[in-house]
Amino acid sequence: AQSVTQLGSHVSVSEGALVLLRCNYSSSVPPYLFWYVQYPNQGLQLLLKYTSAATLVKGINGFEAEFKKSETSFHLTKPSAHMSDAAEYFCAVTASGGSYIPTFGRGTSLIVHP
Amino acid sequence: DAGVTQSPTHLIKTRGQHVTLRCSPISGHKSVSWYQQVLGQGPQFIFQYYEKEERGRGNFPDRFSARQFPNYSSELNVNALLLGDSALYLCASSLVDRADGYTFGSGTRLTVV
Repeated sequence: AQSVTQLGSHVSVSEGALVLLRCNYSSSVPPYLFWYVQYPNQGLQLLLKYTSAATLVKGINGFEAEFKKSETSFHLTKPSAHMSDAAEYFCAVTASGGSYIPTFGRGTSLIVHP
Repeated sequence: DAGVTQSPTHLIKTRGQHVTLRCSPISGHKSVSWYQQVLGQGPQFIFQYYEKEERGRGNFPDRFSARQFPNYSSELNVNALLLGDSALYLCASSLVDRADGYTFGSGTRLTVV
């Protein structure tokens, strides 16, 4: 069984400030972890993924995430927020064995203030 | 290269009607998955197909069905529509390995009135 918890349905930051979106997972086998971004009226776009190589993963648009097994976390960060980062962000987990089906979190809406 | 394409983009149906949604995956992707996304929530898994075989089914009633064709495109069918079926329906394609991640289409917005 696997699950994802995204803490905070909304995160509000000022332009230029640090972005931190939290994701905790539960998986009975080593996980593969993903972050997706969804802009209004669009599908989801893959930002980055962890697949058991480096624990610090860099993605598109300046985002990165760190896999911490001891904390069962995969938080998404960006040093400096831009207005264009305003969107919905989803964390997802897929088990490395067994089911092929990923489980998505409920999402975190990132609001960026000028 | 074309991304994942879905049709139609918007659809309005009446309760009790039937609907068919279509999806064409990225060239070379053999797996197609369908998700339902209700406003303010994450995508909920409906079906996954790989090489025309169903590889997974989510917790949806039998009114929902799907299939995958030899060219890897896919259809999602929903019978006896309910108001609660109103949602954004997303199709995603992927390569074989579970670590690949998904490429999503822009979705079909279904409104049931």
